[in-house]
Amino acid sequence: AQTVTQSQPEMSVQEAETVTLSCTYDTSESDYYLFWYKQPPSRQMILVIRQEAYKQQNATENRFSVNFQKAAKSFSLKISDSQLGDAAMYFCAYRTGSNYQLIWGAGTKLIIKP
Amino acid sequence: DSGVTQTPKHLITATGQRVTLRCSPRSGDLSVYWYQQSLDQGLQFLIQYYNGEERAKGNILERFSAQQFPDLHSELNLSSLELGDSALYFCASSTPADTQYFGPGTRLTVL
Repeated sequence: AQTVTQSQPEMSVQEAETVTLSCTYDTSESDYYLFWYKQPPSRQMILVIRQEAYKQQNATENRFSVNFQKAAKSFSLKISDSQLGDAAMYFCAYRTGSNYQLIWGAGTKLIIKP
Repeated sequence: DSGVTQTPKHLITATGQRVTLRCSPRSGDLSVYWYQQSLDQGLQFLIQYYNGEERAKGNILERFSAQQFPDLHSELNLSSLELGDSALYFCASSTPADTQYFGPGTRLTVL
């Protein structure tokens, strides 16, 4: 069965510093996609970044980047220059190329210290 | 703003009742997905529709049903409600094989 594991229930970082959130997944598929979504206190689910498994290059979106280690089935999110607005729950999610339902990790609560 | 709309925002009802949650996808998206986010079970996929037809089913209870209409909006019907059905229900939409964008959610409280 495909599973997504986020081993850090909570992380904290000083404003302007860098933080890395961990995610591992288990799959036997070769075609799949990985996502990080952010859920602030408003509860809106917001896409942060997406990675296609066939792409070797790590995805980057402004201050957000991933470290995709396919062999290790690891997909961590790095947030640079952390801002107060980054405080939220962060969810790692997975789907296969043919089955579009998202499988979710348990989430990591990110606290930004001013 | 993702472009996905959900109504109502909040819903408070009693056990045994029936409610309908509504979702309008982004313009051009044919796929609609429903997810449930509860405190004890996290985020779970319920069901997917594509252009009016059911495409995939997840951990959806028999008391729950959904449909997608010709104008592509979707409704999730929850019946014989139990306390454990209290959760945040998300709708997401996408073009085929694309990234899912989420609506603001409907918070359901069953008393």
